[in-house]
Amino acid sequence: NAGVTQTPKFQVLKTGQSMTLQCAQDMNHEYMSWYRQDPGMGLRLIHYSVGAGITDQGEVPNGYNVSRSTTEDFPLRLLSAAPSQTSVYFCASSRQYNSPLHFGNGTRLTVT
Amino acid sequence: AQSVAQPEDQVNVAEGNPLTVKCTYSVSGNPYLFWYVQYPNRGLQFLLKYITGDNLVKGSYGFEAEFNKSQTSFHLKKPSALVSDSALYFCAVRDSNDMRFGAGTRLTVKP
Repeated sequence: NAGVTQTPKFQVLKTGQSMTLQCAQDMNHEYMSWYRQDPGMGLRLIHYSVGAGITDQGEVPNGYNVSRSTTEDFPLRLLSAAPSQTSVYFCASSRQYNSPLHFGNGTRLTVT
Repeated sequence: AQSVAQPEDQVNVAEGNPLTVKCTYSVSGNPYLFWYVQYPNRGLQFLLKYITGDNLVKGSYGFEAEFNKSQTSFHLKKPSALVSDSALYFCAVRDSNDMRFGAGTRLTVKP
């Protein structure tokens, strides 16, 4: 019972580099989302998806892209990394609107 | 937009004592409120939720929360704290397709 799996666990990038954070869930959840966690700010929504082929922006979408080609996978792409994107990133999924979120264990990203 | 606030950055309690972690909310309409816990280097884990019905909600690991509409509060409680309860706790409210989180409260339970 894997739940929500995120890779990699850690990543260091140089300014301007691009990369993709992977997220997969095996619970057949329709809703998936990406959050970033910064000290003293809780979690902020970057992008979300309510089903395959459907994505939308959250509170802090600039500098990030997503796609949802399958129900299981929801990758997050950093187009041109900036030091302000240094953060811990969490992927989450839920069965429906008022269901609790299931979180992955996070990716700690440092941009130098 | 819906929002929650956690007025305390840090809560310290002695093992065996009752604990309370505070949360207030601001919503239009009926609130969908949640509590999550985060242990070091892990994602958040769901503890309990309030959708409708009984104002006292029971959740995982002996935690409960009291929904108070007149005070717009949803405080997390436990009758007897354990050292293993030490963690970061987040209150959250469902808002359209977003889950809005508070800034978090670090709970430390001392032996």
